[in-house]
Amino acid sequence: EAEVAQSPRYKITEKSQAVAFWCDPISGHATLYWYRQILGQGPELLVQFQDESVVDDSQLPKDRFSAERLKGVDSTLKIQPAELGDSAMYLCASSDDPLRGETQYFGPGTRLLVL
Amino acid sequence: GEDVEQSLFLSVREGDSSVINCTYTDSSSTYLYWYKQEPGAGLQLLTYIFSNMDMKQDQRLTVLLNKKDKHLSLRIADTQTGDSAIYFCAESRASFGNEKLTFGTGTRLTIIP
Repeated sequence: EAEVAQSPRYKITEKSQAVAFWCDPISGHATLYWYRQILGQGPELLVQFQDESVVDDSQLPKDRFSAERLKGVDSTLKIQPAELGDSAMYLCASSDDPLRGETQYFGPGTRLLVL
Repeated sequence: GEDVEQSLFLSVREGDSSVINCTYTDSSSTYLYWYKQEPGAGLQLLTYIFSNMDMKQDQRLTVLLNKKDKHLSLRIADTQTGDSAIYFCAESRASFGNEKLTFGTGTRLTIIP
C-alpha cells in the first residue's frame, strides 16, 4: 500500500541552528500539506501545496519557516533559525482531491526537539 | 479563536464501549472526521460523516452527529487493547477554495485490562 514518507523521523538540534524536513507524498497526489503538532494538541496546518504552488501558507511563520515543492512531487520544510518553541511533531500529508478532506493521508511525522 | 474541543482523557475497561465526544464550531462544516494516532505515528483516518447525516456505523465504530448542538461522538464497541491511542475529531472549513481540516486537541483513550 502506498504511503507518505518522511525523513528524518527524529531530529535534535540547538536553537539558532537550521533544520530541514523532507516529505515524499503518495505517487500521483497533487496536494501536499505540512502540519505542526505541538505535544498535547491537534495538528495545525502550516502550508498547503497544489502541485508546485502554495495554496495556503497563512499559518506559516514566514520569518523563520520556508517550504518548497519545486517539481511538484516531494517537499522540504525548513526552519532557520530554530527556536525552543519549534519543538513539535511535523506531519506531512498528501491528497488526490483537496476538496475532500477524507482523502488526506498522513506520514509518520518528524519529531523535532530544539535544545 | 475558534476551537474544536475534546476531553483530554478517557479510560475504559477492555470489552466495554468507549464514547469519545467532540464539540465543533463551524455550522457550515460539510464533513466531520475521526482520526486515530498511535504513539510516535501519524494520523490514521477512522471514519467520517457528512453533515446532513446524524449517524454512521462502520463495524465497531458508530458516529453520532447533533448538528443543532454542534456535537460529534465516536463510539467504539467491544474496546480492545489495540484501541489505545489518541483520537482526534476534525471539522472541515472552506479555505482558499479547498477543504481545510481543523483538529481538536485529542482524547487519549486508555484501556484497562
